Amino acid sequence: DAKTTQPNSMESNEEEPVHLPCNHSTISGTDYIHWYRQLPSQGPEYVIHGLTSNVNNRMASLAIAEDRKSSTLILHRATLRDAAVYYCILRVAGNQFYFGTGTSLTVIP
Amino acid sequence: NAGVTQTPKFQVLKTGQSMTLQCAQDMNHNSMYWYRQDPGMGLRLIYYSASEGTTDKGEVPNGYNVSRLNKREFSLRLESAAPSQTSVYFCASSKGTSGSSWATQYFGPGTRLTVL
Repeated sequence: DAKTTQPNSMESNEEEPVHLPCNHSTISGTDYIHWYRQLPSQGPEYVIHGLTSNVNNRMASLAIAEDRKSSTLILHRATLRDAAVYYCILRVAGNQFYFGTGTSLTVIP
Repeated sequence: NAGVTQTPKFQVLKTGQSMTLQCAQDMNHNSMYWYRQDPGMGLRLIYYSASEGTTDKGEVPNGYNVSRLNKREFSLRLESAAPSQTSVYFCASSKGTSGSSWATQYFGPGTRLTVL
């Protein structure tokens, strides 16, 4: 029973914005939405998280739909260092993270 | 400040052998976690420890045991390794398990385990 659904892969040109979508139609009212990314042969790295409102930080922006059934991670200007697998994760009670299979982002120079 | 460290980085076991994966964090975090990642898959939670002295099962606990040795250290033990446990194992920690920023998890570099 998948908790999040993401496209398997996406491509972006360098220095262009990237919108990574995620569906989480079974989300409950207390589940946080987290985004992590994983570079090859490394552990996941925190990107951003939110509950209801849109969020911005130095790495990215998170846009959350009004019904919370979907969200979009926005990288404002993709660089080659942003090539990674991006995971949209629901954090449920007890701080349990449910990872999906993620979106593999390729950045084209 | 090393963050989350894991040992060993690589390990090959024969079926039936036992081993312990070690994890330590130096961020004074209360909560720690063990995940496994199979090829082409996302991470799945094995066990977690919300605070020193407590442990709870995650999504895939069968075949594993854990020990929260102290606030810094959380170990994962395979008593009788099986080929199905071939995976990359990640340890993570967070300040706590509730609230917003407190629950952000920080991951170690992983242990690549092969069971023949």
